[in-house]
Amino acid sequence: SQQGEEDPQALSIQEGENATMNCSYKTSINNLQWYRQNSGRGLVHLILIRSNEREKHSGRLRVTLDTSKKSSSLLITASRAADTASYFCATDARETSGSRLTFGEGTQLTVNP
Amino acid sequence: DTEVTQTPKHLVMGMTNKKSLKCEQHMGHRAMYWYKQKAKKPPELMFVYSYEKLSINESVPSRFSPECPNSSLLNLHLHALQPEDSALYLCASSQPLGPPEQYFGPGTRLTVT
Repeated sequence: SQQGEEDPQALSIQEGENATMNCSYKTSINNLQWYRQNSGRGLVHLILIRSNEREKHSGRLRVTLDTSKKSSSLLITASRAADTASYFCATDARETSGSRLTFGEGTQLTVNP
Repeated sequence: DTEVTQTPKHLVMGMTNKKSLKCEQHMGHRAMYWYKQKAKKPPELMFVYSYEKLSINESVPSRFSPECPNSSLLNLHLHALQPEDSALYLCASSQPLGPPEQYFGPGTRLTVT
């Protein structure tokens, strides 16, 4: 079952603008990850934030985590047309057999040139 | 080498056919995953292999049969599928006890006729 919900479901912006996507989850987490998926392709890991972190940066990406509200946001600054993709948050129920990811519903981002 | 490869890229099969999907990674990861993804939906976990042993089966119908012949290879054998099984099948790998990020292959687009 999917425990993550993302909003907005779709976001269309102009190149150079910032894009913010939000994710909510229901259970306690060890960490939260964000992945990008270009149309019909595999997912690419973008960034991971641990449950004891509140904010993390990686290049043009900024992720925040509020465990009290069970929510996270992904900010992409100075967007480019190449950022057009679906973005998924994923919570990680860590087990000895590997990481059991549960994905949110995703946000489809379109960056118009 | 941080690549996960999947073959074939596309597969069309009838409901009475038997086919196999293949996945390979050479990152030394000892956890491998199969996901199913329907259009405009997030990936859903099907199976997890850890150290070549099946550790998680998310109540997947028996017409899907996974196999992990060695630490680099993961197969998904398909038999007597239904049209609703048409989807993008994604393979991923990670370290069972290391960083939880998963590395995804590009997927196999399966159409069942």
